[in-house]
Amino acid sequence: DSGVTQTPKHLITATGQRVTLRCSPRSGDLSVYWYQQSLDQGLQFLIQYYNGEERAKGNILERFSAQQFPDLHSELNLSSLELGDSALYFCASSASTGTHSPLHFGNGTRLTVT
Amino acid sequence: GENVEQHPSTLSVQEGDSAVIKCTYSDSASNYFPWYKQELGKRPQLIIDIRSNVGEKKDQRIAVTLNKTAKHFSLHITETQPEDSAVYFCAAPTSGSARQLTFGSGTQLTVLP
Repeated sequence: DSGVTQTPKHLITATGQRVTLRCSPRSGDLSVYWYQQSLDQGLQFLIQYYNGEERAKGNILERFSAQQFPDLHSELNLSSLELGDSALYFCASSASTGTHSPLHFGNGTRLTVT
Repeated sequence: GENVEQHPSTLSVQEGDSAVIKCTYSDSASNYFPWYKQELGKRPQLIIDIRSNVGEKKDQRIAVTLNKTAKHFSLHITETQPEDSAVYFCAAPTSGSARQLTFGSGTQLTVLP
């Protein structure tokens, strides 16, 4: 168990809808990262938060947004969903904001858009 | 943007043989290189990492080597077992105003019994 909790495990929704994915980092970790993994694809970095502030942005669509709350949990909001948004969404946390700390991944949320 | 190239994309070995996966990076300032293993339907898990002040690190059957001059690092798995079958990802820091880890495209390793 990595200590990173993601909910829900599975999500099935229709095109055009909006969903929220939730992540609780490991105890003591201040950084939260969101990654998207489509079928047979690698890990695409979406966005990083550190102690409530946005730190880095990757290939995140404008339809997607995220935030990190004072208790350090994070939410990824996906709106106007399209079929191509179907993927496994991982949250990861690390102790620092730098790139020298290991990332600890949650078990992911599998999103299916029909 | 900065890329992390990973090869091969698929690798099949006989049980007991060795497997080697190689990654190259472009940012010479990169100083931390982790490897993750992802079993089917599961989360990526860190299996080994290396920092730029050493050239090699071992952990039982797994080792990682780093060549900073050539900007490449490799994962070596010896005495492979069927449970080593998984997708392996390397990662390296990217440059820019906010550095973050970029992952390679992954290597599907299959260990044949």
